[in-house]
Amino acid sequence: KNQVEQSPQSLIILEGKNCTLQCNYTVSPFSNLRWYKQDTGRGPVSLTIMTFSENTKSNGRYTATLDADTKQSSLHITASQLSDSASYICVVSDLRGGADGLTFGKGTHLIIQP
Amino acid sequence: GAVVSQHPSRVICKSGTSVKIECRSLDFQATTMFWYRQFPKQSLMLMATSNEGSKATYEQGVEKDKFLINHASLTLSTLTVTSAHPEDSSFYICSARVRGGRAKNIQYFGAGTRLSVL
Repeated sequence: KNQVEQSPQSLIILEGKNCTLQCNYTVSPFSNLRWYKQDTGRGPVSLTIMTFSENTKSNGRYTATLDADTKQSSLHITASQLSDSASYICVVSDLRGGADGLTFGKGTHLIIQP
Repeated sequence: GAVVSQHPSRVICKSGTSVKIECRSLDFQATTMFWYRQFPKQSLMLMATSNEGSKATYEQGVEKDKFLINHASLTLSTLTVTSAHPEDSSFYICSARVRGGRAKNIQYFGAGTRLSVL
């Protein structure tokens, strides 16, 4: 069964600090991995998407890495801001396509404190 | 990026009434749209896949007669929660896949609808 596990479940850091969120998956056959940011009461917004051949991808202060061999991904946030407070969801797509080809993690709830 | 508009953002209704939620792709055509449900601190759970011009495909355990889906055009899908009950209270999110985007399964999400049934 395809699974996506995220850690930590929740995280509190001070404004300006860096943090790294983890995502481990067992999805096969792998197509791509995305990180989404979901503000409370809002829909997810895509941050990055990576395919098998991509090791790292950046989007401003967000940098995602992918190790397809170990099936691990991380999302690093640099110089955190209060607006970074949100849930970060790791979603892995397999080659079936369609929504049933997506496996969602439960997310990491990040709180940035002033 | 592509924009998906979901309306309303919040609705409060009495038990037994029906509620319609709209999902529109504003600047692209979406042959396929998806409806998700999300409980607090949980993952998005796929409810159904909506294909333009054909019947929706429902996930196991989702009542098709309770959650009516209509995908009448390439830019609009609607979800109607019929005879809503308090247990239907949840956060409903739609997404739309770019036409021709099946290979990478690129989906854009709406902002979600918070349904509260009294």
